Amino acid sequence: NAGVTQTPKFQVLKTGQSMTLQCAQDMNHNSMYWYRQDPGMGLRLIYYSASEGTTDKGEVPNGYNVSRLNKREFSLRLESAAPSQTSVYFCASKTPYEQYFGPGTRLTVT
Amino acid sequence: AQSVAQPEDQVNVAEGNPLTVKCTYSVSGNPYLFWYVQYPNRGLQFLLKYITGDNLVKGSYGFEAEFNKSQTSFHLKKPSALVSDSALYFCAVRPSKAAGNKLTFGGGTRVLVKP
Repeated sequence: NAGVTQTPKFQVLKTGQSMTLQCAQDMNHNSMYWYRQDPGMGLRLIYYSASEGTTDKGEVPNGYNVSRLNKREFSLRLESAAPSQTSVYFCASKTPYEQYFGPGTRLTVT
Repeated sequence: AQSVAQPEDQVNVAEGNPLTVKCTYSVSGNPYLFWYVQYPNRGLQFLLKYITGDNLVKGSYGFEAEFNKSQTSFHLKKPSALVSDSALYFCAVRPSKAAGNKLTFGGGTRVLVKP
């Protein structure tokens, strides 16, 4: 039981490049989330998916798109990366009371 | 809108001394409250939660937290801190009745336990 996995662990992009962050969970959870973590700002919700086939915007969705490919996988896409998107990105899945987090992806946009 | 405040950016404590990390919240209705810990270069790990019942909640690694409704607080405590408790701690809240089950996180408090 791997829990929540994320790839890649590190990525450096140039402004304007695109990339997709992958997330998968093997706990059969319905809900999945993408957060970004920035110093002093805690975790901010980008997008979430309450179930397969549904996605909704969170607190900071601009510049991102998501796909809930199936119950296991929830990907986050940056179509045209900007330096402001330099951050650590965490995926999570949840039971009714507890969220389980992946190890994070550290993204730098130059 | 719900919010969480962790007023201290950093808490320094000597090993063996009591540790307290403060958290206050604002939410409509009854809250579900959570504490998470993040070790360097790792994801967040769940420590404990308050859903209902006893105001004193016990969690992993000897941590506990006390829910105080009148003060809207949920401070994290450990009677005797260890050097290995040095990490970043996040408090989170969501309303007990909320569509989407979205958590709101505080800004985090860095705990440094010195030998």
